[in-house]
Amino acid sequence: DVKVTQSSRYLVKRTGEKVFLECVQDMDHENMFWYRQDPGLGLRLIYFSYDVKMKEKGDIPEGYSVSREKKERFSLILESASTNQTSMYLCASVTGGADTEAFFGQGTRLTVV
Amino acid sequence: GENVEQHPSTLSVQEGDSAVIKCTYSDSASNYFPWYKQELGKRPQLIIDIRSNVGEKKDQRIAVTLNKTAKHFSLHITETQPEDSAVYFCAASYTGTASKLTFGTGTRLQVTL
Repeated sequence: DVKVTQSSRYLVKRTGEKVFLECVQDMDHENMFWYRQDPGLGLRLIYFSYDVKMKEKGDIPEGYSVSREKKERFSLILESASTNQTSMYLCASVTGGADTEAFFGQGTRLTVV
Repeated sequence: GENVEQHPSTLSVQEGDSAVIKCTYSDSASNYFPWYKQELGKRPQLIIDIRSNVGEKKDQRIAVTLNKTAKHFSLHITETQPEDSAVYFCAASYTGTASKLTFGTGTRLQVTL
């Protein structure tokens, strides 16, 4: 079974803090994604990466950055957390090419106070 | 970029009835259309997908249809059961280098007894 593991299930941070959300996959997948999930807005793509040290902006990258130093690990960084970044964050891992099933992590519910 | 619209946002059906969820996409280059089911408190999981060279695909009680000309695709669930209650997301992607998935806003399906 593919495992995608996010470092925290719940996080509470203060406005202005730098926040790191970690995601690790164990299946040697090329592509990794960060989404945020908000009621009525579905899953919106923040950033994605198709190779080590490669990253591309998704649809809502403002206020976020990412790091992919190793193939199995993809980190989402909130440089200065704000209350409008309170959300559920989901990491996903995809094999790539013709095989495109996305495997999701369990999600991190981030609250910024 | 790709834009996926999904309707309805909520759907309530009686057990045993059918449910239909519809999505439209904007990018004619998209060639892969998966559907994900997210049960309460759990991560999204792939339930069925269809590629652009196929018009319909069926797996037991669920089926997906694709109309490339009109750029829309639909999920059909027959003989609904209480365990079908969940949020369903459609998505579209082009299976190129990054396999970037763009999701719809989700449909909350409630199956009542």
